[in-house]
Amino acid sequence: GNSVTQMEGPVTLSEEAFLTINCTYTATGYPSLFWYVQYPGEGLQLLLKATKADDKGSNKGFEATYRKETTSFHLEKGSVQVSDSAVYFCALPSGTYKYIFGTGTRLKVLA
Amino acid sequence: GAVVSQHPSRVICKSGTSVKIECRSLDFQATTMFWYRQFPKQSLMLMATSNEGSKATYEQGVEKDKFLINHASLTLSTLTVTSAHPEDSSFYICSAATGRDYEQYFGPGTRLTVT
Repeated sequence: GNSVTQMEGPVTLSEEAFLTINCTYTATGYPSLFWYVQYPGEGLQLLLKATKADDKGSNKGFEATYRKETTSFHLEKGSVQVSDSAVYFCALPSGTYKYIFGTGTRLKVLA
Repeated sequence: GAVVSQHPSRVICKSGTSVKIECRSLDFQATTMFWYRQFPKQSLMLMATSNEGSKATYEQGVEKDKFLINHASLTLSTLTVTSAHPEDSSFYICSAATGRDYEQYFGPGTRLTVT
C-alpha cells in the first residue's frame, strides 16, 4: 500500500536560513502529493501540491518538486521567517479520497 | 473558496457527558467528510470517513458506539463523543472532499477537554 516517510523533527533554524524537509513516498502509480502546514492551535492548511511527476508546487516562498526517480517530494524554502514556525505534513492519497500523512515535522524559526 | 468550519473551537465537559462537534463546508458540497484525532505533537489519526446519507466507515480500533458520526447533508457532519472520559481529551479535526479531486479541505479543529 501507499506510505509516506517524513524526516523527524524538530527543526530549529535562524531567520533567513535555508529550509529542507524531506519526504519520500511509496505508491502505486503516480498520485498527487501534498504539503500541509499546521500553525499552533489550528487545523491544517494546504501549503502546496503537485499532481504529476516533475511538477513543482509552490506557495508563500515554499517549493516542492515531485520526483518519481527518487520517489521524493522534499519541501524547501530559501529564507525562513519566524512566522513559518509550524508543523509541516507531507501527504498522499490512499483509497477513495483518504490521505496518508507523514508524522509531521515541527519547525521553529528563531529571530 | 473551499472553507470548512468547526464548532465549537474549544469545549470542556465533565466525565460521563456527551459532546457534539459540528463540521460544515461553507461554500461547497462535500460528498465525503473525514474525522481525525490528533494527540499532542503527533500526526493526525483518521477515525472515520462519512458519506452523506450513509453510515460512517470507522477505522480499525475506533469505537463506533463511542464516536457517533452523522452526515445529514452535503454540508454538515457531526461527531458526538458519548460518555466522554479524560482519555478522550484531544484535538479533533474534520476535513471535507468535493469528490472532484483528491484534495481535502480542513476545519480549524476542536479542542476537547474532559474533566
